[in-house]
Amino acid sequence: NAGVTQTPKFQVLKTGQSMTLQCAQDMNHEYMSWYRQDPGMGLRLIHYSVGAGITDQGEVPNGYNVSRSTTEDFPLRLLSAAPSQTSVYFCASSSAAGAFGEQYFGPGTRLTVT
Amino acid sequence: AQSVTQPDIHITVSEGASLELRCNYSYGATPYLFWYVQSPGQGLQLLLKYFSGDTLVQGIKGFEAEFKRSQSSFNLRKPSVHWSDAAEYFCAVGERGGSYIPTFGRGTSLIVHP
Repeated sequence: NAGVTQTPKFQVLKTGQSMTLQCAQDMNHEYMSWYRQDPGMGLRLIHYSVGAGITDQGEVPNGYNVSRSTTEDFPLRLLSAAPSQTSVYFCASSSAAGAFGEQYFGPGTRLTVT
Repeated sequence: AQSVTQPDIHITVSEGASLELRCNYSYGATPYLFWYVQSPGQGLQLLLKYFSGDTLVQGIKGFEAEFKRSQSSFNLRKPSVHWSDAAEYFCAVGERGGSYIPTFGRGTSLIVHP
Protein backbone atom coordinates (compact mmCIF):
# COMPACT_ATOMS: atom_id res chain seq x y z
CA ASN A 1 0.00 0.00 0.00
CA ALA A 2 1.21 3.49 -0.82
CA GLY A 3 -0.94 4.91 1.99
CA VAL A 4 -1.72 8.60 1.53
CA THR A 5 0.02 10.34 -1.35
CA GLN A 6 0.15 14.05 -2.09
CA THR A 7 1.30 15.95 -5.15
CA PRO A 8 3.10 18.18 -5.72
CA LYS A 9 5.67 18.23 -2.91
CA PHE A 10 6.54 21.88 -3.53
CA GLN A 11 4.73 24.65 -5.37
CA VAL A 12 5.27 28.37 -5.89
CA LEU A 13 2.32 30.47 -7.02
CA LYS A 14 1.81 34.11 -7.78
CA THR A 15 -0.97 35.99 -6.03
CA GLY A 16 -4.26 35.42 -7.82
CA GLN A 17 -3.32 32.14 -9.45
CA SER A 18 -5.36 29.03 -8.84
CA MET A 19 -4.21 25.47 -8.39
CA THR A 20 -5.23 22.07 -7.10
CA LEU A 21 -3.37 20.06 -4.50
CA GLN A 22 -3.88 16.37 -5.06
CA CYS A 23 -4.47 13.76 -2.38
CA ALA A 24 -5.11 10.06 -2.83
CA GLN A 25 -5.33 7.08 -0.49
CA ASP A 26 -5.42 3.38 -1.27
CA MET A 27 -6.68 2.11 2.09
CA ASN A 28 -10.38 2.43 1.27
CA HIS A 29 -10.80 4.92 4.11
CA GLU A 30 -14.11 6.68 4.36
CA TYR A 31 -12.79 9.83 6.02
CA MET A 32 -10.37 12.31 4.50
CA SER A 33 -9.29 15.73 5.61
CA TRP A 34 -7.04 18.64 4.72
CA TYR A 35 -4.93 20.57 7.21
CA ARG A 36 -2.59 23.47 6.98
CA GLN A 37 0.41 23.79 9.27
CA ASP A 38 1.89 27.14 10.14
CA PRO A 39 4.64 27.89 12.67
CA GLY A 40 3.24 28.09 16.19
CA MET A 41 -0.29 27.29 15.01
CA GLY A 42 -0.20 23.52 14.93
CA LEU A 43 -2.55 21.82 12.50
CA ARG A 44 -5.69 23.62 11.43
CA LEU A 45 -8.48 21.80 9.67
CA ILE A 46 -9.50 23.25 6.32
CA HIS A 47 -12.11 20.82 4.96
CA TYR A 48 -13.03 17.22 5.52
CA SER A 49 -15.11 14.49 3.95
CA VAL A 50 -16.95 11.58 5.54
CA GLY A 51 -17.49 9.78 2.25
CA ALA A 52 -17.79 10.19 -1.50
CA GLY A 53 -20.02 13.14 -2.30
CA ILE A 54 -20.00 14.51 1.26
CA THR A 55 -17.75 17.34 2.41
CA ASP A 56 -17.82 19.87 5.20
CA GLN A 57 -15.89 22.89 6.37
CA GLY A 58 -13.29 22.89 9.07
CA GLU A 59 -11.75 25.69 11.06
CA VAL A 60 -10.19 27.69 8.20
CA PRO A 61 -12.13 26.98 4.96
CA ASN A 62 -12.06 30.42 3.32
CA GLY A 63 -10.25 30.51 0.00
CA TYR A 64 -10.35 26.75 -0.47
CA ASN A 65 -12.71 24.33 -2.19
CA VAL A 66 -12.91 20.56 -2.05
CA SER A 67 -14.87 17.78 -3.68
CA ARG A 68 -14.95 14.03 -3.17
CA SER A 69 -16.11 12.20 -6.26
CA THR A 70 -14.39 8.93 -5.34
CA THR A 71 -13.37 7.23 -2.10
CA GLU A 72 -9.71 7.45 -3.09
CA ASP A 73 -9.28 11.10 -4.07
CA PHE A 74 -9.78 14.34 -2.19
CA PRO A 75 -8.31 17.34 -4.07
CA LEU A 76 -7.97 20.77 -2.48
CA ARG A 77 -8.45 23.76 -4.76
CA LEU A 78 -7.08 27.22 -4.12
CA LEU A 79 -9.36 29.57 -5.99
CA SER A 80 -7.23 32.73 -6.02
CA ALA A 81 -3.99 32.31 -4.13
CA ALA A 82 -2.99 34.86 -1.51
CA PRO A 83 0.29 35.23 0.44
CA SER A 84 -1.63 34.24 3.60
CA GLN A 85 -2.05 30.79 2.07
CA THR A 86 1.69 30.18 2.17
CA SER A 87 1.84 27.08 4.32
CA VAL A 88 2.47 23.35 4.45
CA TYR A 89 -0.63 21.36 3.56
CA PHE A 90 -1.32 17.87 4.81
CA CYS A 91 -3.94 15.42 3.70
CA ALA A 92 -5.05 12.66 6.06
CA SER A 93 -7.41 9.72 5.98
CA SER A 94 -9.03 7.48 8.55
CA SER A 95 -11.29 4.49 8.66
CA ALA A 96 -14.79 4.36 10.07
CA ALA A 97 -13.83 0.98 11.45
CA GLY A 98 -10.95 2.45 13.41
CA ALA A 99 -10.84 4.71 16.38
CA PHE A 100 -12.21 8.19 16.21
CA GLY A 101 -9.25 10.32 15.33
CA GLU A 102 -6.63 7.77 14.27
CA GLN A 103 -5.40 9.32 11.07
CA TYR A 104 -2.88 8.48 8.38
CA PHE A 105 -1.05 11.47 6.94
CA GLY A 106 0.49 12.21 3.59
CA PRO A 107 3.99 13.70 3.30
CA GLY A 108 2.72 17.24 2.74
CA THR A 109 2.83 19.95 0.09
CA ARG A 110 4.86 23.06 0.77
CA LEU A 111 3.16 26.02 -0.92
CA THR A 112 4.62 29.48 -1.32
CA VAL A 113 2.50 32.34 -2.65
CA THR A 114 4.41 35.42 -3.76
CA ALA B 1 -16.21 20.68 21.86
CA GLN B 2 -12.96 19.13 22.91
CA SER B 3 -9.69 21.02 23.15
CA VAL B 4 -6.05 20.06 23.64
CA THR B 5 -3.28 22.01 25.35
CA GLN B 6 0.40 21.33 25.01
CA PRO B 7 1.89 23.83 27.42
CA ASP B 8 5.49 23.51 26.24
CA ILE B 9 6.33 24.99 22.85
CA HIS B 10 9.95 23.81 23.03
CA ILE B 11 11.68 21.20 25.17
CA THR B 12 15.44 20.72 25.21
CA VAL B 13 17.02 17.56 26.60
CA SER B 14 20.41 15.94 26.46
CA GLU B 15 20.82 12.67 24.64
CA GLY B 16 20.30 9.81 27.10
CA ALA B 17 18.13 11.88 29.44
CA SER B 18 14.51 11.08 30.17
CA LEU B 19 11.69 12.94 28.51
CA GLU B 20 8.15 13.92 29.40
CA LEU B 21 5.93 15.94 27.08
CA ARG B 22 2.73 17.28 28.56
CA CYS B 23 -0.74 17.14 27.12
CA ASN B 24 -3.98 18.24 28.75
CA TYR B 25 -7.39 17.88 27.17
CA SER B 26 -10.85 19.19 27.77
CA TYR B 27 -13.66 16.78 27.01
CA GLY B 28 -16.80 15.72 28.81
CA ALA B 29 -16.31 11.98 28.55
CA THR B 30 -13.36 9.64 28.14
CA PRO B 31 -11.85 10.53 24.81
CA TYR B 32 -9.66 8.71 22.37
CA LEU B 33 -6.13 10.08 22.80
CA PHE B 34 -3.20 10.08 20.41
CA TRP B 35 0.38 11.19 20.14
CA TYR B 36 1.84 11.87 16.70
CA VAL B 37 5.44 12.66 15.75
CA GLN B 38 6.57 14.78 12.85
CA SER B 39 10.20 14.56 11.80
CA PRO B 40 11.60 17.56 9.91
CA GLY B 41 10.12 17.80 6.43
CA GLN B 42 7.87 14.79 6.96
CA GLY B 43 4.21 14.08 7.57
CA LEU B 44 2.80 13.01 10.91
CA GLN B 45 3.21 9.45 12.17
CA LEU B 46 1.15 7.86 14.93
CA LEU B 47 3.27 7.07 18.00
CA LEU B 48 0.60 5.59 20.24
CA LYS B 49 -3.06 5.74 21.11
CA TYR B 50 -5.41 5.23 24.05
CA PHE B 51 -8.92 3.93 23.65
CA SER B 52 -9.77 2.20 26.92
CA GLY B 53 -8.41 -0.25 29.46
CA ASP B 54 -4.85 -0.05 30.73
CA THR B 55 -4.05 3.61 31.24
CA LEU B 56 -0.37 3.11 30.40
CA VAL B 57 0.06 2.56 26.70
CA GLN B 58 3.16 1.60 24.81
CA GLY B 59 4.02 2.95 21.41
CA ILE B 60 6.66 2.78 18.76
CA LYS B 61 10.26 3.95 19.17
CA GLY B 62 10.25 3.25 22.92
CA PHE B 63 7.62 5.85 23.82
CA GLU B 64 4.84 5.41 26.34
CA ALA B 65 2.01 7.59 27.58
CA GLU B 66 -0.22 7.51 30.62
CA PHE B 67 -3.85 8.54 30.69
CA LYS B 68 -4.81 10.22 33.96
CA ARG B 69 -8.52 10.91 34.07
CA SER B 70 -8.33 12.94 37.28
CA GLN B 71 -5.84 15.32 35.71
CA SER B 72 -7.26 15.24 32.16
CA SER B 73 -3.76 14.49 30.98
CA PHE B 74 -2.04 12.17 28.54
CA ASN B 75 1.68 12.81 28.95
CA LEU B 76 4.24 11.22 26.67
CA ARG B 77 7.41 9.73 28.16
CA LYS B 78 10.63 8.11 27.08
CA PRO B 79 13.27 6.90 29.54
CA SER B 80 16.30 7.67 27.36
CA VAL B 81 16.17 10.07 24.43
CA HIS B 82 18.14 9.50 21.24
CA TRP B 83 19.29 12.25 18.89
CA SER B 84 16.90 10.88 16.26
CA ASP B 85 13.94 11.71 18.53
CA ALA B 86 14.35 15.41 17.72
CA ALA B 87 11.03 16.26 16.10
CA GLU B 88 7.68 17.96 16.60
CA TYR B 89 5.21 16.08 18.79
CA PHE B 90 1.46 16.53 18.62
CA CYS B 91 -1.17 15.38 21.07
CA ALA B 92 -4.67 14.84 19.68
CA VAL B 93 -8.08 13.96 21.08
CA GLY B 94 -10.91 12.18 19.30
CA GLU B 95 -14.51 12.31 20.35
CA ARG B 96 -16.29 9.04 21.14
CA GLY B 97 -19.38 8.72 19.04
CA GLY B 98 -18.72 11.98 17.30
CA SER B 99 -16.66 13.34 14.46
CA TYR B 100 -13.84 11.24 13.10
CA ILE B 101 -11.76 14.38 12.88
CA PRO B 102 -9.51 14.79 15.93
CA THR B 103 -8.52 18.02 17.60
CA PHE B 104 -4.77 18.63 17.67
CA GLY B 105 -2.63 20.51 20.12
CA ARG B 106 -0.24 23.13 18.82
CA GLY B 107 2.73 20.81 19.17
CA THR B 108 5.94 20.63 21.20
CA SER B 109 9.29 20.88 19.47
CA LEU B 110 11.88 18.54 20.98
CA ILE B 111 15.53 19.54 20.71
CA VAL B 112 18.14 16.95 21.63
CA HIS B 113 21.65 18.04 22.62
CA PRO B 114 24.51 15.57 22.13
